[in-house]
Amino acid sequence: DAKTTQPTSMDCAEGRAANLPCNHSTISGNEYVYWYRQIHSQGPQYIIHGLKNNETNEMASLIITEDRKSSTLILPHATLRDTAVYYCIVRVAETSGSRLTFGEGTQLTVNP
Amino acid sequence: NAGVTQTPKFRVLKTGQSMTLLCAQDMNHEYMYWYRQDPGMGLRLIHYSVGEGTTAKGEVPDGYNVSRLKKQNFLLGLESAAPSQTSVYFCASNRGTSGTNEQFFGPGTRLTVL
Repeated sequence: DAKTTQPTSMDCAEGRAANLPCNHSTISGNEYVYWYRQIHSQGPQYIIHGLKNNETNEMASLIITEDRKSSTLILPHATLRDTAVYYCIVRVAETSGSRLTFGEGTQLTVNP
Repeated sequence: NAGVTQTPKFRVLKTGQSMTLLCAQDMNHEYMYWYRQDPGMGLRLIHYSVGEGTTAKGEVPDGYNVSRLKKQNFLLGLESAAPSQTSVYFCASNRGTSGTNEQFFGPGTRLTVL
């Protein structure tokens, strides 16, 4: 699975959009970009994933660059409850064992 | 549905003691996983299972054993606990078939080995 690079920490004002970047310059053609988050002391939670098209669900939007070497997770109206560590993971969707390789992620702090 | 549950939530062991962590899921998922998370770090895969009666090693399997006798349960055993195994343990499951393959995580077990 491709390696990802994320900023260690970011801050965002409540009600504003939070844009979390991720670099994955060695991504292969059959690898997906997944985002999970982990609110303090809880188990990780799936947010969204994509292959090459931009994706949107009830939680967030995922913007993937045309060359697929980077992506941005967008939380359109951040709330205090969105304070968490956000993990960007690149993997083949059908890899044997469906394993996830977690890096250190980005600590997002939403401020009032 | 309860999703993924873990038992116990907290445990303190002395060095050399043994224990078993239980993970249960009610989503009829084929795949189950055990991860550990040390302070300030991401999760690391210990062992996983792709179906009832099967297990496989992950990144950090040493000192742990697992069993998947029933599809809904995945047990993680520590035969002789060491302080280095102090960590938070998370269980996860997913369908394991093609598609989204999102993993669903349990609330974690906080283990301290003295």
